Amino acid sequence: TQLLEQSPQFLSIQEGENLTVYCNSSSVFSSLQWYRQEPGEGPVLLVTVVTGGEVKKLKRLTFQFGDARKDSSLHITAAQTGDTGLYLCAGARGGSWGKLQFGAGTQVVVTP
Amino acid sequence: DVKVTQSSRYLVKRTGEKVFLECVQDMDHENMFWYRQDPGLGLRLIYFSYDVKMKEKGDIPEGYSVSREKKERFSLILESASTNQTSMYLCASRTVYNEQFFGPGTRLTVL
Repeated sequence: TQLLEQSPQFLSIQEGENLTVYCNSSSVFSSLQWYRQEPGEGPVLLVTVVTGGEVKKLKRLTFQFGDARKDSSLHITAAQTGDTGLYLCAGARGGSWGKLQFGAGTQVVVTP
Repeated sequence: DVKVTQSSRYLVKRTGEKVFLECVQDMDHENMFWYRQDPGLGLRLIYFSYDVKMKEKGDIPEGYSVSREKKERFSLILESASTNQTSMYLCASRTVYNEQFFGPGTRLTVL
């Protein structure tokens, strides 16, 4: 049973378009992280959100943690081909030292 | 720069063989993890280690064991490889802020 559900599973868009990826759960997390994974490589941490309602921006990427700390979203503005990758959300339970539970990921493909 | 390395990028083994996957980190992190990644299932935790010689089972430990004799090295052992252990194996180490740094992965095929 997947504790974290990501949607959509796959997203294909053209350069310049915007996209949003969702990460939902019925469980409360002490923190939530987003990773990007490129083919043949391990995931790379993009951001950690900790406080309910928190919004963090990383250049064209905007991350939001839900008020109840059960869900999160990642929004990319004006996508570029370099944004192509598998986006994974991961929630920590049991405090900041808790193990991470990963979602299955959203495969994003940005075409020229 | 933070670095986690894994001993092999690709590995092909036969059913019943004993398989060793090694992971080394250069960040002096106390915590290290082994995951497997399968399409549609995300990353699932096999084992983790809080410190040298300390280990705890993750969500799917069956068929696996681990060894941590030195702080920088965490090994995953498949005692008798089976075809359902064909997967991508990822090692990670963790900062005190729970940020995980991953190695490039080992794609293991068991025939």
